[in-house]
Amino acid sequence: AQSVAQPEDQVNVAEGNPLTVKCTYSVSGNPYLFWYVQYPNRGLQFLLKYITGDNLVKGSYGFEAEFNKSQTSFHLKKPSALVSDSALYFCAVRDNGATNKLIFGTGTLLAVQP
Amino acid sequence: DGGITQSPKYLFRKEGQNVTLSCEQNLNHDAMYWYRQDPGQGLRLIYYSQIVNDFQKGDIAEGYSVSREKKESFPLTVTSAQKNPTAFYLCASSSTGGFGDTQYFGPGTRLTVL
Repeated sequence: AQSVAQPEDQVNVAEGNPLTVKCTYSVSGNPYLFWYVQYPNRGLQFLLKYITGDNLVKGSYGFEAEFNKSQTSFHLKKPSALVSDSALYFCAVRDNGATNKLIFGTGTLLAVQP
Repeated sequence: DGGITQSPKYLFRKEGQNVTLSCEQNLNHDAMYWYRQDPGQGLRLIYYSQIVNDFQKGDIAEGYSVSREKKESFPLTVTSAQKNPTAFYLCASSSTGGFGDTQYFGPGTRLTVL
């Protein structure tokens, strides 16, 4: 079965330090991977996606993600965290079966301390 | 959230009532989706539609119904048959519904059953 795992419910980081939010996936066929961010009581905002090509994907707000096929991972990174980055982050993989959907992880709450 | 509107923002329902959540998009997207978000569970697909007058069930369609009479509109009805409807409901759209398509989300509707 296709799935996404976000092993950390919460990540704490000090402002100015680098941040990593982890994601691993299991999918048959080629993976199409996405990262979204959600602020309280808001919809999801698209950050970046991996379809094919360069393993390092750059996205919005200074975020980037590294696709690692051998480790089936797609970790989200940022060189220098901001307090305003504090939010809930979701990793998702496109279902390669008949259902046209995104399969979401359970989310990781990022808390950036000033 | 730009381009996709959901209304109302908050909705309260009494037991036994049907309620309809509105979703409109002005992005000229063919595909539209409804997801349900519960704390700690990520997002789960309720229904999706890739073209006007056609829609398919997602993973948790029981107790819900949809229609797609216009390209820009995809309303969701939560019926009295849905046993636990209290949740945050998110509508999304994408250009064609293809595997590499990005889904863009609306701001959400929070439904509470009294």
